[in-house]
Amino acid sequence: SQKIEQNSEALNIQEGKTATLTCNYTNYSPAYLQWYRQDPGRGPVFLLLIRENEKEKRKERLKVTFDTTLKQSLFHITASQPADSATYLCALRLLDSNYQLIWGAGTKLIIKP
Amino acid sequence: KAGVTQTPRYLIKTRGQQVTLSCSPISGHRSVSWYQQTPGQGLQFLFEYFSETQRNKGNFPGRFSGRQFSNSRSEMNVSTLELGDSALYLCASSPGTSGGVEQYFGPGTRLTVT
Repeated sequence: SQKIEQNSEALNIQEGKTATLTCNYTNYSPAYLQWYRQDPGRGPVFLLLIRENEKEKRKERLKVTFDTTLKQSLFHITASQPADSATYLCALRLLDSNYQLIWGAGTKLIIKP
Repeated sequence: KAGVTQTPRYLIKTRGQQVTLSCSPISGHRSVSWYQQTPGQGLQFLFEYFSETQRNKGNFPGRFSGRQFSNSRSEMNVSTLELGDSALYLCASSPGTSGGVEQYFGPGTRLTVT
């Protein structure tokens, strides 16, 4: 069966350290993968997109990697801050799909001061 | 540009009633997607409209329906409400073509069914 998985348990990280979140998928051929941030009671906010032919993408303190052999994307936040605490969602757009996104359930990240 | 707006923000309905939610996308965006979010299920895709046509559909019963108008504004309707329909309903807009793929979400409508 096709599925996309993110760490279901909350991730607790000490302020200043690098937080790494994982997004794994099976049986998909993705065209690209996106990462979003969601704060409680609000809609997700787009952060980064990485295409299937890209290995790495960076934006300020954020870095995303995409390994289509391992079927995995890693999302890194360096020099983490308490304000980075949120739920992070990954979403796949598949090749040959009609622009539809497949969403992971999200990982809750808690940055402790 | 103004962001995605959703109305109403909060709604309380009784089982068996119907409800209509509204979404205004970012100006120029032709795609509007609807999602249901509950604590246990995460983001569940309902449907997507592009240029007034339903382009994609999730796995929800026929009680959930939607439409898109010529100005790209969209509405979703839920008939015969059930307690399990209590959720945050999110709408997201995007250009909807290969040139613009990220989704911009509205603040959501919190629906409570009693």
